[in-house]
Amino acid sequence: QVQLQESGPGLVKASETLFLTCTVSGGSVTSSYWSWIRQPPGKGLEWIGFIYHSGRIKYNSSLRSRVTISVDTSKNQVSLRLSSVTAADTAVYYCAKVWGQDYFDSWGQGILVTVSS
Amino acid sequence: QSVLTQPPSVSGAPGQRVTISCTGSSSNIGTGYDVHWYQQLPGRAPKLLIYGNNNRPSGVPDRFSGSKSGTSASLAITGLQAEDEADYYCQSYDGSLGAHLVFGGGTKLTVL
Repeated sequence: QVQLQESGPGLVKASETLFLTCTVSGGSVTSSYWSWIRQPPGKGLEWIGFIYHSGRIKYNSSLRSRVTISVDTSKNQVSLRLSSVTAADTAVYYCAKVWGQDYFDSWGQGILVTVSS
Repeated sequence: QSVLTQPPSVSGAPGQRVTISCTGSSSNIGTGYDVHWYQQLPGRAPKLLIYGNNNRPSGVPDRFSGSKSGTSASLAITGLQAEDEADYYCQSYDGSLGAHLVFGGGTKLTVL
């Protein structure tokens, strides 16, 4: 069973760039699509985007201008970069394994990122 | 405003049956895209509960079942238990510009 662990700063200043890493264990990042999903406090889930190691990427159109997802096969990691953050980007960020391009069959525990002014 | 619409809350007594609806449109569920369901226990990450409309991953009790018809889908939980109290989310694919993978707004299940 693959395991996912998100890491990165829990506090980011407004207008700066959020950078998170998801370390995959028990499997290879080359075997699946990988996704980032976020959940603002007390609210629902929002899909951010997904990536395949070959470079195929899709982003949520509402975030496309600010988001970059990448894969590092040498480290078995998936990364998220979100630029020009505001308070609205405060959320728990989850890394998830995608079955095909359809649904999320494994999730990390999530990491809370707070954007401060 | 979520692309998929769920009731904010449902409730039921232990042992009862409850259903949670997920209403979409012609650009997602109505096109034939599969619906998937997730359970999120308080303070925990979501967990896959139902995939491909009506399939349960290994370890999910058969008290949980899913169905889909037209532009809607439903999650049914029978023999309600206290540990079922959680938030439930539906998810599908949306073919409209820029949408891709979409979630419902979530439903809070309270076991009375």
